[in-house]
Amino acid sequence: QLQLQESGPGLVKPSETLTLTCTISGGSIGTSHSYWGWIRQTPGKGLEWVGSVYSSGSTYYNPSLKSRITMSVDTSKNQFSLNLSSVTAADTAIYYCARIYSGNFYHHLDYWGQGTLVTVSS
Amino acid sequence: QSVLTQPPSVSGAPGQRVTISCTGSSSNVGAGYDIHWYQQLPGTAPKLLIFASSNRPSGVPDRFSGSKSGTSASLAITGLQAEDEAHYYCQSYDTGLSGSVFGGGTKLTVL
Repeated sequence: QLQLQESGPGLVKPSETLTLTCTISGGSIGTSHSYWGWIRQTPGKGLEWVGSVYSSGSTYYNPSLKSRITMSVDTSKNQFSLNLSSVTAADTAIYYCARIYSGNFYHHLDYWGQGTLVTVSS
Repeated sequence: QSVLTQPPSVSGAPGQRVTISCTGSSSNVGAGYDIHWYQQLPGTAPKLLIFASSNRPSGVPDRFSGSKSGTSASLAITGLQAEDEAHYYCQSYDTGLSGSVFGGGTKLTVL
């Protein structure tokens, strides 16, 4: 059974960089038909795709965040990471990491981490 | 404004049937990409409920079903139970974003 666990600071100061890591257990980050994503949810609001990364290192970012975001993978540790720079209060959210299972015309998120609340405040 | 459109809320009495709609556009569902559904109970992560429009992952009761027509999809819940009270989200892949898009979520209230 695949499991994902987010880790990182729960409090980040405005203008600083938010860094989160997702550790995968029970499976390999290089599993076929899989890539990995970050999704965030602001309190009381809906879900927003942040970005995705393949085990090869290829990345795709939400255009609204593209200038501030970097994602990477560490295959030796079975982890992938998110860096979001110049954060503001608007970046305060629960951040989830997830496995995205992909086929020809479907990409669904079948495994999720429990989520981690990141608050941006001085 | 979410890329996929869902009603903000639906409600039903125990035992009844409710449906939740999700409408996409030419860059996602209209481009041939499937719609998937998630259930989010209070304080928990979303859970995959239906994938590829109408398929249930192992362990999801058959009270939950999905369908798709054109650029829209529907989630149906029959035999409504109190434990079904949650937020439900639809999701697809968008060719313009090269990533996932979500509906705004629908709050299901069991009366």
